[in-house]
Amino acid sequence: DVKVTQSSRYLVKRTGEKVFLECVQDMDHENMFWYRQDPGLGLRLIYFSYDVKMKEKGDIPEGYSVSREKKERFSLILESASTNQTSMYLCASSLDGYEQYFGPGTRLTVT
Amino acid sequence: DAKTTQPPSMDCAEGRAANLPCNHSTISGNEYVYWYRQIHSQGPQYIIHGLKNNETNEMASLIITEDRKSSTLILPHATLRDTAVYYCIVRVGHNAGNMLTFGGGTRLMVKP
Repeated sequence: DVKVTQSSRYLVKRTGEKVFLECVQDMDHENMFWYRQDPGLGLRLIYFSYDVKMKEKGDIPEGYSVSREKKERFSLILESASTNQTSMYLCASSLDGYEQYFGPGTRLTVT
Repeated sequence: DAKTTQPPSMDCAEGRAANLPCNHSTISGNEYVYWYRQIHSQGPQYIIHGLKNNETNEMASLIITEDRKSSTLILPHATLRDTAVYYCIVRVGHNAGNMLTFGGGTRLMVKP
């Protein structure tokens, strides 16, 4: 079974802090994704990566950056957290782009 | 990606088949039908996908009409653990950069 793990289930940070969210997958998948999910807005793609050191912007990249130094690990960085970045963050991986396998999510609260 | 329409909620008795409909009348020839579900407080889970033929796996069956304008996800013997929001999505299948867009979905409640 594919396993996607995320570093924290719940996180509380203060406005202006730098925040790191880590995602690890164990199935040697080429593609990894970061989404955020908000009530009424559904799932929105922040960034995705199709290979090590490669990244592409999704629909809402502003205020975020990503890092993929190793194939199994994809990190999302909030350079200076703001209250409007309070959300559920979901990481996913995919071998061929057909099905995506999601982690359990990180519920981030920025106060 | 084509838009989908699903009923907002459905109930199903435990042990019975759950049939979840989805309309996608503007689907293009190269778009696949995908189903995901999300159990409360968990990440979405892939269920099944198909292009035009019916598909079955260990979780569910997917029935796509001949004109491809609608489909039905069938959970053959629903259990309480199948209570979740089910999302029907249409998208080009293999394009990794083609993100998933979840609409409102159908909230399935499996009752004892």
